[in-house]
Amino acid sequence: GENVEQHPSTLSVQEGDSAVIKCTYSDSASNYFPWYKQELGKRPQLIIDIRSNVGEKKDQRIAVTLNKTAKHFSLHITETQPEDSAVYFCAATFTSGTYKYIFGTGTRLKVLA
Amino acid sequence: NAGVMQNPRHLVRRRGQEARLRCSPMKGHSHVYWYRQLPEEGLKFMVYLQKENIIDESGMPKERFSAEFPKEGPSILRIQQVVRGDSAAYFCASSPGLRTTLGGTGELFFGEGSRLTVL
Repeated sequence: GENVEQHPSTLSVQEGDSAVIKCTYSDSASNYFPWYKQELGKRPQLIIDIRSNVGEKKDQRIAVTLNKTAKHFSLHITETQPEDSAVYFCAATFTSGTYKYIFGTGTRLKVLA
Repeated sequence: NAGVMQNPRHLVRRRGQEARLRCSPMKGHSHVYWYRQLPEEGLKFMVYLQKENIIDESGMPKERFSAEFPKEGPSILRIQQVVRGDSAAYFCASSPGLRTTLGGTGELFFGEGSRLTVL
C-alpha cells in the first residue's frame, strides 16, 4: 500500500547549523509533496511544498528538493533558530483517484541555543 | 475567513461511552480528512470525505468508528464504546479539492484538534 518513510525520527542541531530531513514515498504516481510543522500542542501548518514538475524550491531559510527517480524528497533548514524546534512531517498525495494525503512519521527537531 | 473549526477541543469519556467529534471545514472547502495522532507519534490517516460521500476509509478501524459529512452541518467522527487505546488527538483537515482548482496549492488546512481522553 501507499507509504511514506521519514528519517530521522529525532534531530538535534546547534543554533545556526543546518538541518536535513529526508522522506521516501512508495507510489510513483505521487505529484505533490508538502511539509508541515507542528509545534507542541498545536495543529500542523504548511511551511513549504513542491510539485513533481520541479526539482527544488526555496523560501528564505527553508528549501525542499525532490528526486522523482529515486522517489526521495528532503527538507533543508539553514541557519536554524530555537523557534525552528518542532515536529516536522512530510506528506505525499497519490493520484489514484482519491488523493488522500499520507504523512511520514515525523521528525522531532531540537535546536540547541 | 474562519479556519477549520473542531469541537470539542477536549473530551473526556469513560470506557464504553460514545465520543462525537465535530469538524467544520474552511468556507468553500468540500473535502474533509480525519487523522489520529497518538502522543509522540505521527498523523495516521483515518478517512477522507466529500459532502455526503466517504471517498476513502481505509484507515478507519473496522469496528466502533464511523464518519460522516452531511450535506448540511459539520463532519462528525463517531467512536462508539470507547476504550483507553482510543485516547489520542484527532485532527480534521480540509481542502478545496486540489485537482480541479487552477493554481491551487493543494494545501491541507488543519483544525486545532480534539483531544480525547478515555478513563
